[in-house]
Amino acid sequence: EPEVTQTPSHQVTQMGQEVILRCVPISNHLYFYWYRQILGQKVEFLVSFYNNEISEKSEIFDDQFSVERPDGSNFTLKIRSTKLEDSAMYFCASSEGTMGQPQHFGDGTRLSIL
Amino acid sequence: AQTVTQSQPEMSVQEAETVTLSCTYDTSESDYYLFWYKQPPSRQMILVIRQEAYKQQNATENRFSVNFQKAAKSFSLKISDSQLGDAAMYFCAYRSGLGATNKLIFGTGTLLAVQP
Repeated sequence: EPEVTQTPSHQVTQMGQEVILRCVPISNHLYFYWYRQILGQKVEFLVSFYNNEISEKSEIFDDQFSVERPDGSNFTLKIRSTKLEDSAMYFCASSEGTMGQPQHFGDGTRLSIL
Repeated sequence: AQTVTQSQPEMSVQEAETVTLSCTYDTSESDYYLFWYKQPPSRQMILVIRQEAYKQQNATENRFSVNFQKAAKSFSLKISDSQLGDAAMYFCAYRSGLGATNKLIFGTGTLLAVQP
C-alpha cells in the first residue's frame, strides 16, 4: 500500500539554525499538509498546499515557516530560524481530494531544538 | 471554532474483549466528517474509520465500529475482540464539509493498552 514517507526521522538542530523537513506524499495525491505535535499536546494543523500554493495556514505558521514542492515528488517544510518552542513531532500528510477523502500521514520527524 | 474532546487519556482492555473510546465535538456546521486515527508506537498515524455526518448509518470496518450520535455530537469508537496489535494512541478528528477548509482538528488522544 502506498505510504507517505518523511525524512529524517529525528533532527537535532541548534536554536537559530534553519531546518528543512522532507516528505514524499503518495504519488497520485494532490493535497498536502503539515501538522505538528508538541510533546504531550494535541496534533495541530500548520498548513495545507494545493496546486503549488498554500491553500490554508494556521496562526502557528508564521513568517519563519515556508513550504515548497521543489520537484514532482517532494514536499518540504522549512523553518528559517528555529526556536526552542519549535521542538515537536512534525507530520506530513496527503490526500487525493477534499470531499471526505482521508488524509494519509507519514511517520513524522521528531525535531529537537537545543 | 470547532473543538474535539477525548475525555479518556488512558484505557485498558483485556485481549479478546470489547472497548469503547469516547469522543465528543462541538460545531455549528451540519456537514462534516469525523475520523478515528490510530498511532502505534511506530508513530505513523493510520486511518481506522471515517464517518460522514450526513449518513445516519454508523461506519464499520471489520472489528472497528462507531456510534455516531449527531444530535449529541458524540462519535465513539468500539473495538471488538481486542488484539495486542490494537495497543496504540487513538485520535478522534473533525473536518469541515463546507469546503473552505481541509484541516483536521484533533482531540488529545486516548492511549489504549491491551492486556494479554
